[in-house]
Amino acid sequence: GEDVEQSLFLSVREGDSSVINCTYTDSSSTYLYWYKQEPGAGLQLLTYIFSNMDMKQDQRLTVLLNKKDKHLSLRIADTQTGDSAIYFCAESPNTDKLIFGTGTRLQVFP
Amino acid sequence: SAVISQKPSRDICQRGTSLTIQCQVDSQVTMMFWYRQQPGQSLTLIATANQGSEATYESGFVIDKFPISRPNLTFSTLTVSNMSPEDSSIYLCSVEEFSGGSEQYFGPGTRLTVT
Repeated sequence: GEDVEQSLFLSVREGDSSVINCTYTDSSSTYLYWYKQEPGAGLQLLTYIFSNMDMKQDQRLTVLLNKKDKHLSLRIADTQTGDSAIYFCAESPNTDKLIFGTGTRLQVFP
Repeated sequence: SAVISQKPSRDICQRGTSLTIQCQVDSQVTMMFWYRQQPGQSLTLIATANQGSEATYESGFVIDKFPISRPNLTFSTLTVSNMSPEDSSIYLCSVEEFSGGSEQYFGPGTRLTVT
C-alpha cells in the first residue's frame, strides 16, 4: 500500500527541540521530503533526503532516515513560535508522484 | 526555485457550476501536477500534466470531472466541473525541478468553497 503515517499533534516549548516522525511503506522511494504548511498558506519545501543517505543537516533542521524500518524524522533545533505549522512528510515511489503523510500539527508555546 | 502563481486565490461557487483554476510558472518546466487538499486533510494527487500529451489521472479522478490543459511549458489549468459541496478543497499546482535531486514546489493554492 501507499500509506504514509505521522502523529497528528506535537506541542513543544519555545527553545526546545522538536522531533516529528513519519513512517512510509514504499521501499523504492528515491527521495523523502518534509514540507511545512502555515495557516492559510501553500506548502513550503523544507528539505529532502536521498534514499541512500542516513542523515542530512540543514541549519536547524536534521533529517534522519532509517530505511530498514522505513522511518523518517525531522528534528528542529531551538524551536521558535514561527515554526508553528503543519509538517508533512512525503515519499516518492517513482520520480514524480508524491505520497503525502497525514501531517503533524506543531504547536510551540512560550 | 520556480515561482508559481495561481488564480483565483479563492472562490465561492454554487453547486452545478464549473471553475477553472490557472497555474503560472516563471520558468519552463516539464512536469506539472495538480493536488487536492480537502479540509483538515493531507494532499492527494489528482493528475500529472505534461505539455503536449494528455494528463495522467490518479485513481478516483476522471477527466470529465477535472479536465486539465497544458498548452505550454509555463502554464496549466484545472477545471472543477459540475461542482458539489464535496469539491470544497484547496487545489494546488506544483512543478518538479532537478537541482541535485528531485524537488517539487507548490503554488499558493486555490481555496474553493461550493455552496
